[in-house]
Amino acid sequence: KQEVTQIPAALSVPEGENLVLNCSFTDSAIYNLQWFRQDPGKGLTSLLLIQSSQREQTSGRLNASLDKSSGRSTLYIAASQPGDSATYLCAKRRAAGNKLTFGGGTRVLVKP
Amino acid sequence: DAGVIQSPRHEVTEMGQEVTLRCKPISGHDYLFWYRQTMMRGLELLIYFNNNVPIDDSGMPEDRFSAKMPNASFSTLKIQPSEPRDSAVYFCASTSWGATEAFFGQGTRLTVV
Repeated sequence: KQEVTQIPAALSVPEGENLVLNCSFTDSAIYNLQWFRQDPGKGLTSLLLIQSSQREQTSGRLNASLDKSSGRSTLYIAASQPGDSATYLCAKRRAAGNKLTFGGGTRVLVKP
Repeated sequence: DAGVIQSPRHEVTEMGQEVTLRCKPISGHDYLFWYRQTMMRGLELLIYFNNNVPIDDSGMPEDRFSAKMPNASFSTLKIQPSEPRDSAVYFCASTSWGATEAFFGQGTRLTVV
């Protein structure tokens, strides 16, 4: 069973709409959770990092929340733009010196 | 810092050949990770190091894969002999112990024909 899950796998929205991306995890042990963006054929760009002691983190139009009790993190992107089209991945770290475990990603298309 | 640097960016090789991928982590980071990304399986951890010592290599597919980290600023992932099913994008990432982000290189796209 996947430890980190992202549903849906793909999402299409019109420009200006708010994006809500979901990440759920089965193992309640969490040290931090990181959201990444990946453009086609490119590497991963870090967007936000939430520590287990935090409820949310914000950077510009991006806001990420963490609910440990339900095993969920949500990435909100306000007023989406065509340039936000990319794949968004979440990755969970179980302990301080531990590996990142990735979800399968959500591929986002923002239509002009 | 220039970030995590991987080379080469693209590699095309024939089945049976040896392939070596290289990674330079961010200076001061003491964790280094090798991931493989495919359409079918997404991002999979192959191996990671702490202070140049391999900590978890359970993701290494088989004995054809090996990784080394001779010093804090350099790591290699070697495939010998390579097979077409090894075709994927291989990413290197680094981070520090504690509450810090992990940073990824641009990846090496490997094609084995």
